[in-house]
Amino acid sequence: AQRVTQPEKLLSVFKGAPVELKCNYSYSGSPELFWYVQYSRQRLQLLLRHISRESIKGFTADLNKGETSFHLKKPFAQEEDSAMYYCALVEYGNKLVFGAGTILRVKS
Amino acid sequence: GAGVSQSPSNKVTEKGKDVELRCDPISGHTALYWYRQSLGQGLEFLIYFQGNSAPDKSGLPSDRFSAERTGGSVSTLTIQRTQQEDSAVYLCASSLPGTVWLYFGPGTRLTVT
Repeated sequence: AQRVTQPEKLLSVFKGAPVELKCNYSYSGSPELFWYVQYSRQRLQLLLRHISRESIKGFTADLNKGETSFHLKKPFAQEEDSAMYYCALVEYGNKLVFGAGTILRVKS
Repeated sequence: GAGVSQSPSNKVTEKGKDVELRCDPISGHTALYWYRQSLGQGLEFLIYFQGNSAPDKSGLPSDRFSAERTGGSVSTLTIQRTQQEDSAVYLCASSLPGTVWLYFGPGTRLTVT
């Protein structure tokens, strides 16, 4: 069963436009969620964690338990935001499962 | 300090051959994870280790896949009798005790011809 769903394989926006990368999850307990990012020719790296409620590189993500969502948002996209973004959920123990990923392309 | 390292970076093998992929985690990281990354499939969980034991092997696709970790450090992922569908990038990651903040290696790109 799919635990993390990222419905968009590709999201293309213009520079300066708002961005929302969607993530929905299925989990019966209290979820712990992350966003990871992979820039071109770089390693996959942590972007942000829901428990810290932080803003990294202008991105934020709010956990909505009612909608079981953890969408990633940024008000004004920049070209350097172009990358592959993965949403991830901690299952029992320390098992981290990822969604299929969304490619974000920011056009100039 | 050094990050997670993986070797080889690229591996081309013939169908039916066995391959071994190696991961060196960050020193002090007790948890180690293996994932498979392929187009359209995202990041597929394979196995993770806490120390030398693997509490969860549920992600291994078949009994052709096995992994071990020795000394709480280096891990080897072995694929026996490789098939074309095994072609993918195999990623290793490690984390500090009690966290799931994963540090990823550069991956091994496996191509089965």
